[in-house]
Amino acid sequence: SSELTQDPAVSVALGQTVRITCHGDSLRTYYASWYQQKPGQAPVLVIYGKNNRPSGIPDRFSGSSSGNSASLTITGAQAEDEADYYCNSRDSSGNPLVFGGGTKLTVL
Amino acid sequence: QVQLVESGGGLVKSGESLRLSCSASGFTFSDYYLSWIRQSPGKGLEWISYISGSGSTISHADSVKGRFTISRDNAKNSLYLQMNSLRAEDTANYYCARLQTTPTWDAFDLWGQGTMVTVSS
Repeated sequence: SSELTQDPAVSVALGQTVRITCHGDSLRTYYASWYQQKPGQAPVLVIYGKNNRPSGIPDRFSGSSSGNSASLTITGAQAEDEADYYCNSRDSSGNPLVFGGGTKLTVL
Repeated sequence: QVQLVESGGGLVKSGESLRLSCSASGFTFSDYYLSWIRQSPGKGLEWISYISGSGSTISHADSVKGRFTISRDNAKNSLYLQMNSLRAEDTANYYCARLQTTPTWDAFDLWGQGTMVTVSS
């Protein structure tokens, strides 16, 4: 079982703001990274570190953390943001790296 | 062009072996950690292994420890995953990914397209 937990599914109305969260003890010490995966495609890094976006990722994507939680916020969600989102960080129980179970984002 | 391209996947029987390869281009290969990550059909991502740029630091997930071995050839810009004693639960799409690692965060910033491994029982 994953040491990082995510809500399985979240929905958002087109143009509204949505927050996807990730919980785990290791997040008290390490930042999460976030990945977007669309059907049939490889994951794409969207947020890493404190709140960094790789080149080409729209600025509507942002990250934050507090306590044992990390969040990915999409401000003004677009239809093309509909995807699965995974968090990733270190693991306090053995495996050095671990992914959350993923959150399926639906844009209504 | 900066990219990773996996190969070597296929259909094998339980207990058999398979070797995956990942060919890199467009960046200084030896400067980076690399990793293997898999995704079973309809399931989430699972990190399984990483190796440092020099090859001196290696780690495997508990789920594959003792059966899978990661290695690299910096002269060939290639990453490998030797998979032995394969099980049905190893059936997945296997991605290689470039790993950026710091004291406070890690991130897989470049991914290949994946290669599918199917293990029949």
